[in-house]
Amino acid sequence: NAGVTQTPKFQVLKTGQSMTLQCAQDMNHNSMYWYRQDPGMGLRLIYYSASEGTTDKGEVPNGYNVSRLNKREFSLRLESAAPSQTSVYFCASTRQGVGEAFFGQGTRLTVV
Amino acid sequence: AQSVAQPEDQVNVAEGNPLTVKCTYSVSGNPYLFWYVQYPNRGLQFLLKYITGDNLVKGSYGFEAEFNKSQTSFHLKKPSALVSDSALYFCAVRDMYSGAGSYQLTFGKGTKLSVIP
Repeated sequence: NAGVTQTPKFQVLKTGQSMTLQCAQDMNHNSMYWYRQDPGMGLRLIYYSASEGTTDKGEVPNGYNVSRLNKREFSLRLESAAPSQTSVYFCASTRQGVGEAFFGQGTRLTVV
Repeated sequence: AQSVAQPEDQVNVAEGNPLTVKCTYSVSGNPYLFWYVQYPNRGLQFLLKYITGDNLVKGSYGFEAEFNKSQTSFHLKKPSALVSDSALYFCAVRDMYSGAGSYQLTFGKGTKLSVIP
C-alpha cells in the first residue's frame, strides 16, 4: 500500500522557471492538501481540495496554482519560481470528516 | 479562524523520564485534535487523535494525550522517554463546524524533542 506518493523528491530551479509537483494517493480519500514547511514556521496550508472537482486557497496561496486532476491526483504548479518558494512541500490526504491526514515523503525545492 | 500554539520550540528530557509536549488550540466550534511526529528528512506520521469521548487518548509508540476543554489544551505525554523518541512533534486542529473550512487542518510550529541518554 503506497499511501501518498510525491514526485520529485528533490528539485533545483532557477528564478523564473516553472514546474509542477505531482501527488497521488491510493486510499480513495476525498480530500487532498498541499503544505509547505519552513524552519520555525511549522506547516502552512497552500491549497486544498475538499473533494474531486473543487479547490480552495489556504493560508499562503500566492505564487501557486493547483489542479485536482481526478480523485487520486492533486498537483501543485509554480508558474514563475522565486527564492522565497524555497521550501519542503508536502502533499496530504484525508477521508472527509474525522480522519487523520496521511502525508507524502515531501519534495525539497530550492530556487536559486 | 482556528489556530494552534506549541509554546516550546525545544524540549529536553532524560531517557527513562516522563515527557510532555504542550499544545493549546483555538477554534470557533468543537475541535478535532491530532499529534504527528516527523523524523529527519521524512514526512509526518500520525500518532493519535481526539474526536470525542474519553479525554485521555492513547496512540502509537506508547504516546498518549490529554484533552482539556476548559484550558483548550491537548498535551502529548509518554511515561518513559526513549532516545528513539527524539524527533519533531506537531499538534494540529480541525474545527468540526466551520463549513468548508472544516477541511482545513491547522498545524502548530512544532516542538523538537531531544531525549538524552
